[in-house]
Amino acid sequence: GAVVSQHPSWVICKSGTSVKIECRSLDFQATTMFWYRQFPKQSLMLMATSNEGSKATYEQGVEKDKFLINHASLTLSTLTVTSAHPEDSSFYICSARTGTPSGSNEQYFGPGTRLTVT
Amino acid sequence: GDSVTQMEGPVTLSEEAFLTINCTYTATGYPSLFWYVQYPGEGLQLLLKATKADDKGSNKGFEATYRKETTSFHLEKGSVQVSDSAVYFCALSGAYNTDKLIFGTGTRLQVFP
Repeated sequence: GAVVSQHPSWVICKSGTSVKIECRSLDFQATTMFWYRQFPKQSLMLMATSNEGSKATYEQGVEKDKFLINHASLTLSTLTVTSAHPEDSSFYICSARTGTPSGSNEQYFGPGTRLTVT
Repeated sequence: GDSVTQMEGPVTLSEEAFLTINCTYTATGYPSLFWYVQYPGEGLQLLLKATKADDKGSNKGFEATYRKETTSFHLEKGSVQVSDSAVYFCALSGAYNTDKLIFGTGTRLQVFP
């Protein structure tokens, strides 16, 4: 149980184009989803937190107009990198949390999406 | 701000060897501490956690003890297996923002038969 998928797993796009990454919770309802970014040999950095039906909360230094996050349902969140540039090339990882009354704060992670901007 | 430092890898061991991966942290208050494991091609999975000082988290033969006095949460296993080969991440969630996970850089473990 508690499986999170991401699509695509790998994408190449040209500079100036936009790319959308999907994050789905397959067997549970995710009231909260998180988006992380990981550079080579560096730690995961939280980009934003999104609650279903609400606007995402972005971490300091993350451009909300560049990284558009939509959490329209309890099983799907999307991250759109707009007008991508080579410096946006990275590994993007999502996680999801149920927020059940049992109080578990555990985040379940997707396998990640590698974005390469040429 | 809060931060996590863990030893660089890769750590290369023979099967049945003893494993230690060091992790230290900087945080205000009393954070919760975690170890996550990432197997090839898969997402991070919670391996174990500890929520207060002197707590010991354990799972699948792995252990880590929350040491407030040394601000450490070292991961140990007495006898590693080839199947333990993965990347291990130490992380914390702050006392005042339990949503936000702060990760170390990850340590790759390679176990050879």
